Amino acid sequence: DIQMTQSPSFLSASVGDRVTINCKASQNINKYLNWYQQKLGEAPKLLIYNTNNLQTGIPSRFSGSGSGTDYTLTISSLQPEDVATYFCLQHSSRPLTFGSGTKLEIK
Amino acid sequence: QVQLQQSGAELAKPGSSVKISCKASGYTFTSYYISWIKQTTGQGLEYIGYINTGSGGTNYNEKFKGKATLTVDKSSSTAFMQLSSLTPDDSAVYYCARDYPGPRFAYWGQGTLVTVSS
Repeated sequence: DIQMTQSPSFLSASVGDRVTINCKASQNINKYLNWYQQKLGEAPKLLIYNTNNLQTGIPSRFSGSGSGTDYTLTISSLQPEDVATYFCLQHSSRPLTFGSGTKLEIK
Repeated sequence: QVQLQQSGAELAKPGSSVKISCKASGYTFTSYYISWIKQTTGQGLEYIGYINTGSGGTNYNEKFKGKATLTVDKSSSTAFMQLSSLTPDDSAVYYCARDYPGPRFAYWGQGTLVTVSS
């Protein structure tokens, strides 16, 4: 199975900050990487698919990048409503595997 | 709009089975696969497998073979997951999500809490 190492596990930042979250795969996943946001008590929501494609309805302050084994989710200007846990998902090979999550809070 | 409505929370005894449902609306049910995902505090998110809602074909994560059985009722646009021989380790929130084609897991159900306790 492909292991997804996500960092940091916890992040505290101020409103307006640029925030980055990383996922590192144990092997090349050919940009088959999605990012999800999960607010407390809710189901995950798709933000970015296939590394850098913004899902419909998601604010443009969210973006993704990466290739090979290393991928990044960037929030260009943190907003209060971005408080959540963020997960990556590799769908390059079965079984699909998730990162362990990054809990983002506002300082 | 696309919606996946899951059945309610389950309290089950060790050794028993539960069957969770996921009713889809807002799109052509048989045009997209449905996948199932397990979430626990300790293990995070784990992929269980998917069902081809058109053919009924399935694919399981090896870890969940023998534990989960995925089925579908096209007439009611509903996918089901049965969990058998339950143990406390099966206690989790289980989600269904719309899968292929298009972005993986673009839409999720609200989750079903399964608690296994004697």
